[in-house]
Amino acid sequence: AQKITQTQPGMFVQEKEAVTLDCTYDTSDPSYGLFWYKQPSSGEMIFLIYQGSYDQQNATEGRYSLNFQKARKSANLVISASQLGDSAMYFCAMRELSTNFGNEKLTFGTGTRLTIIP
Amino acid sequence: DTGVSQNPRHKITKRGQNVTFRCDPISEHNRLYWYRQTLGQGPEFLTYFQNEAQLEKSRLLSDRFSAERPKGSFSTLEIQRTEQGDSAMYLCASSHGRTNEKLFFGSGTQLSVL
Repeated sequence: AQKITQTQPGMFVQEKEAVTLDCTYDTSDPSYGLFWYKQPSSGEMIFLIYQGSYDQQNATEGRYSLNFQKARKSANLVISASQLGDSAMYFCAMRELSTNFGNEKLTFGTGTRLTIIP
Repeated sequence: DTGVSQNPRHKITKRGQNVTFRCDPISEHNRLYWYRQTLGQGPEFLTYFQNEAQLEKSRLLSDRFSAERPKGSFSTLEIQRTEQGDSAMYLCASSHGRTNEKLFFGSGTQLSVL
C-alpha cells in the first residue's frame, strides 16, 4: 500500500531564508506521481508542484523546487526566499499511476506547519 | 474558471441528524473527488466520480455516507444519523482526469456534530 511520511510537524523559518520540507514515500508501483499542496488557514488546498517518477529532472515552479531522490524514496520541497505569506500547512501526496494498481486517489501525509518569522 | 465551490462552509448539527453537502466542480472537469480531513491530519480519500459514475469508494465510507453526481456536474455528499466522529472538514476536488494532473480543491465544509 502506498504511504507518505512527513516527519516535521512544525517549522519556524526567518523571512527570506530558504526552507526544506521533508517527505518520504513508499510504493511498489514503478510509475507514480508526487505532489505538494499548501493549505492556508482558509482551508483550501493549493497545488504547488508535481514530480513524475520517470521525470529526469527535478521539478521547479517559481520559488518552489522538488528535490527528488528516487533511490531514497524522498521528495523534499524547497522554498527559496521565504515570505510571510508562505506560512501555512504543507502536504506531500502521491498517486500510483500503473493501471493494474487501480488507484485514482491521492494519498496525503500528515503535513508540516510552516511559520515564517518577520 | 470560477474554481471549486462548496456549500455550506460550516455546518453544526446534533448527533443523529442527517446532513447534506454540495460541491460544484470546475465546469469542464469530468472527475470529482471527496476527501475528509480531521484536525492534525492530511486529507483522506472517500470516493470519486468519473462524470456521473461513482468508480471508487474508500472503506472509510460507511453505509451512513452516500454520494451522488446525478448529471455529471455538481455532487452531493449525505451523512445519515451523524455521529460525533463524523466531525471533520469535507473537501471536494475536481480534475480533467489525466493521470498526472493536479486536483483543484474547494475550501471545504467544516462539520461539527454536537
